[in-house]
Formats: sequence, C-alpha cells, structure tokens
Amino acid sequence: QQQVKQSPQSLIVQKGGISIINCAYENTAFDYFPWYQQFPGKGPALLIAIRPDVSEKKEGRFTISFNKSAKQFSLHIMDSQPGDSATYFCAASDRGSTLGRLYFGRGTQLTVWP
Amino acid sequence: NAGVTQTPKFRVLKTGQSMTLLCAQDMNHEYMYWYRQDPGMGLRLIHYSVGEGTTAKGEVPDGYNVSRLKKQNFLLGLESAAPSQTSVYFCASSNLVGGASSYNEQFFGPGTRLTVL
Repeated sequence: QQQVKQSPQSLIVQKGGISIINCAYENTAFDYFPWYQQFPGKGPALLIAIRPDVSEKKEGRFTISFNKSAKQFSLHIMDSQPGDSATYFCAASDRGSTLGRLYFGRGTQLTVWP
Repeated sequence: NAGVTQTPKFRVLKTGQSMTLLCAQDMNHEYMYWYRQDPGMGLRLIHYSVGEGTTAKGEVPDGYNVSRLKKQNFLLGLESAAPSQTSVYFCASSNLVGGASSYNEQFFGPGTRLTVL
C-alpha cells in the first residue's frame, strides 16, 4: 500500500510560471514532510522540509503548504526557471520511530520551458 | 568529504549472474538504505540498516540480500539476477537528529544503473 500519493506524474510549466505538486498521506503518525529534488543522472537531494506545527514554510522561490486536517501537503515553485527542471519527490516519516524510514511518493517530472 | 559513494556506476549482467553493489559513506551515519528507482514507481526501499551489524527488509526485498559488517559500508547483493531487477539503485545514509526538532535527512549516492539481459 502506497503510504504517500503524489500528483501529477509530470508537469510542464512556462518560464516564470508557478509549479504546483501535491501529495497526500493517510498515516496520522507522520510528522515530518520533506521534498527531494533529483536532476538527471544524479541522486535525490533534500530541497525543503516542513513539520506539522506550521502550515507553510518558504525558502526562496520554494514553498511548502501543509494542511494537517486534510492530510495533504504541496510544493509551490514560484517564478519557475529552466534550471528547476528535475524530478521532485515528496516524502513523509514518523519521527517517533527509531527506524528512520522515509516513505516517498512516486515523483513528479517537472519541465520548465524557456 | 566524499559523502555517499557507490560502486560500480554501470553494470550489465546476464540472467542468473550474481553481483554485489557497494555503498560507502564517510559521514559516520548510523542509518543506511538501498532503494531502487523505476520509471513511474518512485523510490522503493529494498533493505535498510539502523546500525553496524543490523539489517531489515524494506518494501521490495525479494531477490536481494544485504550486509553491514562495517558502519561505513552497506552491500547489496543479487544472487541470481533477473530482468525484473533492471533498475537504477540508490544508496542513502542518515543520522536521526533527536528531540523536538528531530528530522531525518537522507543523503543519496549517485546511483548504479544495472541492466539484466
């Protein structure tokens, strides 16, 4: 059973536009929600993360919005640039667990056209 | 610091052959993970380790074995490769940061692209 559901699978955005990727989860024990960015031929790397005690976290052009009651969170990329073209993974984990596992969504391939 | 390194970068196997993928990290992390990445399937956890000498099954462990004899190394073995194991394999490592601000940032290696014919 997939623990974290991510959509869309692919996304094409014009340069300067807003990219939005959505994720949903069911396990109410999850309390840490990171987003990873992966460029072609590279391993994923942490982009930004949020804990459920806040509803939004912003770092530069990247913003996570979190809706605890709906068990959903999303990544917004403002003023999208061709250099943002990559695959984005949302993830979730239970910080109370000693296993340290992250449960990943299936990924969104973002293409930003110049 | 090299971070997380993986050996080899590419490999082609014939069905039934065996091989070992090596992951090494120089960050003194306790936790290490092996994932496989397939188109449209995201990152699926194969096996993981919460410390030297320990291993545990992830969501897709069949056909794979692992060993963590040294803290810095995590080996993934394929005893009898099958075409279904054609994939890109990623190793990751992390330390759990405890307390109220705890989080688990996983650091990934560059991947191994494996093709099984």
